[in-house]
Amino acid sequence: QITLKESGPTLVKPTQTLTLTCSFSGFSLTTSGAGVGWIRQPPGKALEWLAVIYWDDIKRYSASLKSRLTITKDTSKNQVVLTLTNMDPVDTATYFCAHRLGASSTGGAFDVWGLGTLVAVSS
Amino acid sequence: QSVLTQPPSVSGAPGQRVTISCTGSSSNIGTVYDVHWYQQLPGAAPKYVISGNTNRPSGVPDRFSGSKSGTSASLAITGLQAEDEADYYCQCYDTSLSGYVFGTGTKVTVL
Repeated sequence: QITLKESGPTLVKPTQTLTLTCSFSGFSLTTSGAGVGWIRQPPGKALEWLAVIYWDDIKRYSASLKSRLTITKDTSKNQVVLTLTNMDPVDTATYFCAHRLGASSTGGAFDVWGLGTLVAVSS
Repeated sequence: QSVLTQPPSVSGAPGQRVTISCTGSSSNIGTVYDVHWYQQLPGAAPKYVISGNTNRPSGVPDRFSGSKSGTSASLAITGLQAEDEADYYCQCYDTSLSGYVFGTGTKVTVL
């Protein structure tokens, strides 16, 4: 059974860097095809994909946020970390991590999601 | 910002059939990459309801079905039930962006 859980600050100030951790169980990011993605959802708005990291350490980022995002993995801890620099109030959102179901380092779906963590950006 | 376009809302009476369209382009839905669908109940995380264009993950009722043609896809819910009232999102991989894209989302209301 795959489970994921997001953790991190609930409030950050403008210009600060957000660091979120996704702790997961039920799969390994050393297994061929495995991947973990981050998706966010501003209050009342649509889902927005942010980043994904695959078993082979290939990383993909949202084109609009690429300069601000970094995704890394720690396979020994079963964790994936996302950082988003220069936070702004428009980055206020619920941030989800999810298991990527697929066979290669492209495509696939997000079949199991964490509950999400709400991050507010305010001074 | 979303590159996949969905109608903002659809509605139907209990027992009726509703469909949700998802319009993309030749760099996402029009490629070999599959379209997937998610249901999001109020205050909850999204749930995977359609896999690989047409397949239902284990536990998803058979009243949910999906299809894909050209640069569009659709989700159909037959025998609409009150518990189906939720937001629905399509998702695909985009070769031009080298990343994933979600639809604009559709709110399904059961009258």
